[in-house]
Amino acid sequence: GIQVEQSPPDLILQEGANSTLRCNFSDSVNNLQWFHQNPWGQLINLFYIPSGTKQNGRLSATTVATERYSLLYISSSQTTDSGVYFCAVADNQAGTALIFGKGTTLSVSS
Amino acid sequence: GAVVSQHPSRVICKSGTSVKIECRSLDFQATTMFWYRQFPKKSLMLMATSNEGSKATYEQGVEKDKFLINHASLTLSTLTVTSAHPEDSSFYICSAFGSAEQFFGPGTRLTVL
Repeated sequence: GIQVEQSPPDLILQEGANSTLRCNFSDSVNNLQWFHQNPWGQLINLFYIPSGTKQNGRLSATTVATERYSLLYISSSQTTDSGVYFCAVADNQAGTALIFGKGTTLSVSS
Repeated sequence: GAVVSQHPSRVICKSGTSVKIECRSLDFQATTMFWYRQFPKKSLMLMATSNEGSKATYEQGVEKDKFLINHASLTLSTLTVTSAHPEDSSFYICSAFGSAEQFFGPGTRLTVL
């Protein structure tokens, strides 16, 4: 099955700093999503981005499908950005489940 | 985005009892739902794919007689942990496709004493 690797595993930032999280995957995908898991465990959808670039406020994401990686950018980080960020992919069969990376734990201090 | 709910959010039970967790798609129909399990400080692991009107498909290593899945309607899937033991304690999360992307329920934290 598809392998998903996220880096770095842990990231500590001061409020206001920018950061880049990376997701590498081992095969072609038809679905790639980024999530933020809040302290209560809820997975918040950030981006659905099997290819291309999207932006939503201080967050943006880019997926280069041909090179099998995706990047999540967080600008001007805030303490509320703290938590675990997951990248998840599904292979080229429609309707298949997402396979998750191990996540990046982000801690933003004031 | 699409909304997926789960009930209960938290359950504590005694060893040997069975626990049922409900997953509902509130504003869309879902022919397929997924069940995941997450251990503390770990990633989500797919347990099974729940198909409306047919048997669930379980991932390797997941006991289908321990984790019973029923998907009786287009908006409801249930996971029953039978004869629960302390090692079944975990965070269980369901998901469903809302158009192209998947949306996740808030999760159920199961503690077996």
